[in-house]
Amino acid sequence: RKEVEQDPGPFNVPEGATVAFNCTYSNSASQSFFWYRQDCRKEPKLLMSVYSSGNEDGRFTAQLNRASQYISLLIRDSKLSDSATYLCAVPAGSGAGSYQLTFGKGTKLSVIP
Amino acid sequence: DAGITQSPRHKVTETGTPVTLRCHQTENHRYMYWYRQDPGHGLRLIHYSYGVKDTDKGEVSDGYSVSRSKTEDFLLTLESATSSQTSVYFCATGQGLGQPQHFGDGTRLSIL
Repeated sequence: RKEVEQDPGPFNVPEGATVAFNCTYSNSASQSFFWYRQDCRKEPKLLMSVYSSGNEDGRFTAQLNRASQYISLLIRDSKLSDSATYLCAVPAGSGAGSYQLTFGKGTKLSVIP
Repeated sequence: DAGITQSPRHKVTETGTPVTLRCHQTENHRYMYWYRQDPGHGLRLIHYSYGVKDTDKGEVSDGYSVSRSKTEDFLLTLESATSSQTSVYFCATGQGLGQPQHFGDGTRLSIL
């Protein structure tokens, strides 16, 4: 299994829809997980951190499934402004590697009027 | 965000020339990272630093060197640029174990 895998999409959803992305990871020792949002030609920006079973921030919910080694990002009531690429990131390993993050290649979301 | 400034923002240069990219942070974060981002490859770590004068290689370090003489500055040097190093380069900083990284605005580098 690759270290961090994401469905590249694109996910094309209508405004108001609920959409979910998954991210699978191979480092079973990981204790922290991150979702980033990246707009076209911009830098990745931290969206959510996940340190336990999950996290919720408004319309965004992140869930962690340790047994199956994946994290998910749920977006409710999608807005046009949610259109972006969503990257997940997982610590690269143990020891010195835990200070590094391995990023997925991202899932592209397009919210359609 | 973490107050991370990259310079230059855009650069076009010729094969064989040396290029230095600068990353400056104002948050006193211990860890600093250089990534490149290319279509189909995502973000790949070039080098990282875990303190002043302490650096290590990442996944794609060949052809690149780094230096960190002060906490706030992390330099990435392409000693002799090649066309394969045309990319978008991002600097990031982090506070350590289990903490997220925060990114600068990026540098678009074209090697002709």
